[in-house]
Amino acid sequence: EVKLVESGGGLVQPGGSLRLACAASGFNFNTYGMSWVRQGPGKGLEWVSGMSSGDRTRYADSVKGRFTISRDNSKNMLYLHMNSLRAEDTAVYHCAKGKNSGNYWGSFDYWGQGNLVTVSS
Amino acid sequence: DIVITQSPLSLPVSPGEPASISCRSSQSLLFSDGKNYLDWYLQKPGQSPQLLIYLGSNRASGVPDRFSGSGSGTDFTLSISGVEADDVGVYYCMQTVITPYIFGQGTKLEIK
Repeated sequence: EVKLVESGGGLVQPGGSLRLACAASGFNFNTYGMSWVRQGPGKGLEWVSGMSSGDRTRYADSVKGRFTISRDNSKNMLYLHMNSLRAEDTAVYHCAKGKNSGNYWGSFDYWGQGNLVTVSS
Repeated sequence: DIVITQSPLSLPVSPGEPASISCRSSQSLLFSDGKNYLDWYLQKPGQSPQLLIYLGSNRASGVPDRFSGSGSGTDFTLSISGVEADDVGVYYCMQTVITPYIFGQGTKLEIK
């Protein structure tokens, strides 16, 4: 059974940093692209960042230069390092698995339950 | 960036009736491999989103056959042949032909 479990969220002050983690199990993690998707309170879905199985990374314009996605294939872990956090980064952050192995990391067939990040003073 | 426009934003439907949601892209989502890079998701109340349709018209595993996806290029449609109470939630389309991936605004389906 595929499982994605996020952790690391919480309350942080504007300008602060946080690292989200996503523990993956039930599939061959190192062959699939992965993404982070967030949902602000009462808002729609926003793709934040993605990472191919080959370590290629991409970001939404809203987080470029502030967020860094990484993965540790030996631990089946996906991370999102968030710096210079702003109030508008407040959201539930989901990790999501790409459906097909290889360099295409779209079509998210499994999602984590999400982890809340609140940026507030 | 690509702009994705969904309509309608609200969709009240009686049980058993058909429903359709439109998703339009500012750029073609048809790639040189012949695939349309457009997915559909449903987010049921209190749950994480779930994949319904991938690459334009392919039903994801376990998705009932009352759901279907159609379209090509810039115009796509999600159709439900007969709405059931379990279909309530917010439907999103998302383009994945190029990063940044972009979601539509979402369509809230409710039962009349």
